[in-house]
Amino acid sequence: DTEVTQTPKHLVMGMTNKKSLKCEQHMGHRAMYWYKQKAKKPPELMFVYSYEKLSINESVPSRFSPECPNSSLLNLHLHALQPEDSALYLCASSQARTLTNTGELFFGEGSRLTVL
Amino acid sequence: TQLLEQSPQFLSIQEGENLTVYCNSSSVFSSLQWYRQEPGEGPVLLVTVVTGGEVKKLKRLTFQFGDARKDSSLHITAAQPGDTGLYLCAGDGGGNNRKLIWGLGTSLAVNP
Repeated sequence: DTEVTQTPKHLVMGMTNKKSLKCEQHMGHRAMYWYKQKAKKPPELMFVYSYEKLSINESVPSRFSPECPNSSLLNLHLHALQPEDSALYLCASSQARTLTNTGELFFGEGSRLTVL
Repeated sequence: TQLLEQSPQFLSIQEGENLTVYCNSSSVFSSLQWYRQEPGEGPVLLVTVVTGGEVKKLKRLTFQFGDARKDSSLHITAAQPGDTGLYLCAGDGGGNNRKLIWGLGTSLAVNP
């Protein structure tokens, strides 16, 4: 099984809503990532979890709150988002063989978020 | 700050033509990865190059890593409509973090 599964695939929410994006992988990868991507642009790193600990927060606004319940799951909790937060949110994982190199990323299909 | 310049950003060609995409940096990378992304999907890893001067082939795609590990290229021979997508290069600086340095991407359209 070499998949990263993201749910939901599409999400429409109002600026006052609270919602969550979910990501699951069963490849035994110990690094998991949230990226944000706008159309035809490269992914922008948001958060990195390494061995279930938050290791990187790229100065992401607090209205985005990540959570890593265990080594297979990664959530992104959303609250009071703005229309400019509309984007494709990608989850990825990597083996994290060393403490330094990223390794090859396995991406999910993404969750397309629209904030009204 | 490490940067990865990718060119061209947009490319529209006819089926059967050849093309080359470049990724250049002034920084040395421990490895460089190439991804392809289709609309509505996540990026999919095509190849990782690790050794300076390395050449890897994937059917009609040829990937090169520069001798100094600062640049890389992707060459597609006889492009087909199925090659259409966003091609992304990403460098692994190997520093004490898990951040890849991404190029801006090349949006390729192959017309039948």
